[in-house]
Amino acid sequence: DQQVKQNSPSLSVQEGRISILNCDYTNSMFDYFLWYKKYPAEGPTFLISISSIKDKNEDGRFTVFLNKSAKHLSLHIVPSQPGDSAVYFCAVQETSGSRLTFGEGTQLTVNP
Amino acid sequence: GAGVSQTPSNKVTEKGKYVELRCDPISGHTALYWYRQSLGQGPEFLIYFQGTGAADDSGLPNDRFFAVRPEGSVSTLKIQRTERGDSAVYLCASSPTSGGQNTGELFFGEGSRLTVL
Repeated sequence: DQQVKQNSPSLSVQEGRISILNCDYTNSMFDYFLWYKKYPAEGPTFLISISSIKDKNEDGRFTVFLNKSAKHLSLHIVPSQPGDSAVYFCAVQETSGSRLTFGEGTQLTVNP
Repeated sequence: GAGVSQTPSNKVTEKGKYVELRCDPISGHTALYWYRQSLGQGPEFLIYFQGTGAADDSGLPNDRFFAVRPEGSVSTLKIQRTERGDSAVYLCASSPTSGGQNTGELFFGEGSRLTVL
């Protein structure tokens, strides 16, 4: 069973516009929600996170929104830059342990 | 180095052989994780160490997979009787905390790409 789902395998946006990446999850017990970014031939790097007690967290151009009733997480990047082109993974952390469960990833391409 | 180091970066082996993958975490990080990533998928959890002990090994797919961390620092993932389906990138990550205080920020290495022919 897929606990974390990213339904869009790819997204293409113009430089300067907003990128919106989406993620759905099934278990209401998750405690932390995170986004990771991955460039080719590199390991994933942490981008931003949000606790289940919040609905928004902002860090510069990146904002994560959490809608617990809909079990939906989104990442907004504005303005998008060509260097943001990467695969973005959402991840959830179970309340009872430390493992992260990742989605399948969305390939973001920001065109100059 | 400052980051998580994994060796080898690439390993090609034949079906049925034994393979060891090594992870050197960031100095001082007590938590260490192994993940496996297949093409087009997200990282899949294998095992998590807190210090020397395996705190959660529920992600190991079968008894051909085993991992150790004898001194609480370097870890080795061991795969016996490799199968073609084991081909993937094996990622190691470390974190300074674990358990209830862990906010999920992991520091990943670049991975070891395993190809089983």
